[in-house]
Amino acid sequence: NAGVTQTPKFRVLKTGQSMTLLCAQDMNHEYMYWYRQDPGMGLRLIHYSVGEGTTAKGEVPDGYNVSRLKKQNFLLGLESAAPSQTSVYFCASSYSIGVGNTEAFFGQGTRLTVV
Amino acid sequence: EDQVTQSPEALRLQEGESSSLNCSYTVSGLRGLFWYRQDPGKGPEFLFTLYSAGEEKEKERLKATLTKKESFLHITAPKPEDSATYLCAGLGSASKIIFGSGTRLSIRP
Repeated sequence: NAGVTQTPKFRVLKTGQSMTLLCAQDMNHEYMYWYRQDPGMGLRLIHYSVGEGTTAKGEVPDGYNVSRLKKQNFLLGLESAAPSQTSVYFCASSYSIGVGNTEAFFGQGTRLTVV
Repeated sequence: EDQVTQSPEALRLQEGESSSLNCSYTVSGLRGLFWYRQDPGKGPEFLFTLYSAGEEKEKERLKATLTKKESFLHITAPKPEDSATYLCAGLGSASKIIFGSGTRLSIRP
């Protein structure tokens, strides 16, 4: 099992460029999450999904869009990158059906720099 | 609005010196309180889930406890390899997992 895989691992963008981050999980998890992590600020939730075809806003959704067309994939898009979006992005997934099994498992992160 | 607050921000201990990390939470309809460990340059690694007040879980030198408002991560006789950032998070009825800002733990030999 690969678990949660994020693509790419590193990327440098110019201001105004667009890109898509891909998260893939092979654990048949229902819930998927996108977070950003900045120094001293912990993990902040951008968007999340509770199932295929559904998405919802988290704590810091502005400037990002997401899609979950397939259960195993969760895409995070930046339409017009800004320097404030320089961060490390983490994807996570969890089973979260019924009682128990609610913990999320994380990918290794994507380090994005916007210049 | 769901909120998770961790203290202290940073903690430096001598090897063998036990201590506790605090996590205060206000999460509507708590479905799980999580502890993670994060090493530099890596994703968070799952440690524990606590579901109800009074619950305790242990793993090696770590023990997590839960009350109705707080969770504690107790570290007994820590070793240098326990140095990491420890993250607390809560899952509520809104299906969002909200994280605290973490405690950076450093263990000196």
